[in-house]
Amino acid sequence: GNSVTQMEGPVTLSEEAFLTINCTYTATGYPSLFWYVQYPGEGLQLLLKATKADDKGSNKGFEATYRKETTSFHLEKGSVQVSDSAVYFCALSDRGGGYQKVTFGTGTKLQVIP
Amino acid sequence: NAGVTQTPKFRVLKTGQSMTLLCAQDMNHEYMYWYRQDPGMGLRLIHYSVGEGTTAKGEVPDGYNVSRLKKQNFLLGLESAAPSQTSVYFCASSYRGGSTEAFFGQGTRLTVV
Repeated sequence: GNSVTQMEGPVTLSEEAFLTINCTYTATGYPSLFWYVQYPGEGLQLLLKATKADDKGSNKGFEATYRKETTSFHLEKGSVQVSDSAVYFCALSDRGGGYQKVTFGTGTKLQVIP
Repeated sequence: NAGVTQTPKFRVLKTGQSMTLLCAQDMNHEYMYWYRQDPGMGLRLIHYSVGEGTTAKGEVPDGYNVSRLKKQNFLLGLESAAPSQTSVYFCASSYRGGSTEAFFGQGTRLTVV
C-alpha cells in the first residue's frame, strides 16, 4: 500500500534560519503530492502541491519539488518566521479513475523562536 | 466564507454513551471524509463518501457509522463510545478525489472517560 514517511519532530529553529522537512513516499501509481499545514487549534490547510514528476509547488516562501527518482517531496523555506510555527503534514493521493484516498505522514512540528 | 464547519468543537463522553458529530460544507463538494488525529499517528481515514447517499469504509472504521443523506452534510456516529476513541476528529471535503485539494474543518476534540 501507499505510505508517507516524514522526519520526526519537533524541529526548533531561530527566526530567519533555513528550513528543510524531509518527506519520502511509497506508492504504486503516479501520485499527487501535498504539503498541508496545521496551525494551533485549527484544521489542516493546503500549503502547496505538485501533481507530476519534477513539478515544483510553492506558496508563502515554501517550496517542494516532486522527485520521482528519489521518491521524495522535501519542504524548504529560506528564512522562517515565528508565524511559521505549526505542524506540517506531507501527503499523497493517487491519480487515476475512481476514488483514491489521501495518505498522510505523521506530521512534523516546527517551532520558530525569535 | 464558512467552508467546512464541524459541531461540536469539544465533547466529553462516558464509556458506552453515543453521540453524533456533524460536518457541513457549503462548497458543493462531492467528496467528504472523516479522519481521526492521534499523536504520532498522523491522520487516519475513518469513513468517506463520494456523493450523496454513498458511504465507504476507510482505514479505521470499527466503532463508527456515517451517513450522507444530503450532499452538504456528513455525519459521524459513535454507537457506544470507548476510551480508545478519544481523539481529535476532522472532517474534510473536496471537489473530487485524486489531485484536488481537501478542505478541513477545525476539528472536534472528543474525550471518552
